[in-house]
Amino acid sequence: QSVLTQPPSVSAAPGQKVTISCSGSSSNIGNNYVSWYQQLPGTAPKLLIYDNNKRPSGIPDRFSGSKSGTSATLGITGLQTGDEADYYCGTWDSSLSAHVFGGGSKLSVL
Amino acid sequence: HVQLVQSGAEVKKPGASVKVSCKASGYTFTSYGITWVRQAPGQGLEWMGWISPYNGNTDYAQKLQGRVTMSTDTSTSTAYMELRSLRSDDTAVYYCARQLERPRPLDYWGQGTLVTVSS
Repeated sequence: QSVLTQPPSVSAAPGQKVTISCSGSSSNIGNNYVSWYQQLPGTAPKLLIYDNNKRPSGIPDRFSGSKSGTSATLGITGLQTGDEADYYCGTWDSSLSAHVFGGGSKLSVL
Repeated sequence: HVQLVQSGAEVKKPGASVKVSCKASGYTFTSYGITWVRQAPGQGLEWMGWISPYNGNTDYAQKLQGRVTMSTDTSTSTAYMELRSLRSDDTAVYYCARQLERPRPLDYWGQGTLVTVSS
């Protein structure tokens, strides 16, 4: 049972847009920055979004992040088959004094 | 460029210990913390703990307290994670990741080390 709640799966057609939600509480998302990680099949996770909506160098602007209250959202536009991956949200939980992750959302580009 | 290179796969029997290494390059090792995350087969990410190579301060996940020890060797820019009293549910891929401080993002990850616990 993950501290952060994500939908197990999302899907959309190539070229379309998809959003992935991440729900938490005041002890984590509500008072800390959110990051998003992309894990392609068989590889290590990779930082996609940090500080709610910032992209590391090299991450295309098709990927975006936002936060409102105790929820965060990852958006991906212009979907490509290469975007098929598991996506995880993560943040610090001040009550648990631990880094917490969502359970992951598997993106299928149909 | 920043790289974290981990040691190879391990097979251990229940009750044994395992020590995974993570060699950092491309940045000043003592300027960033190292976080360890594990992923059981087909499961999500689980935070194990964090260590500061600068002063050796550690912060472990409560469920692993007493079984895990994280350490660093600043002379070789290498971080280590030792897990003792292994059980079958410790079977997972173990990742190290660079993290400036505990509330900050995990910005670079190692390639992962598969640890299999089986009799």
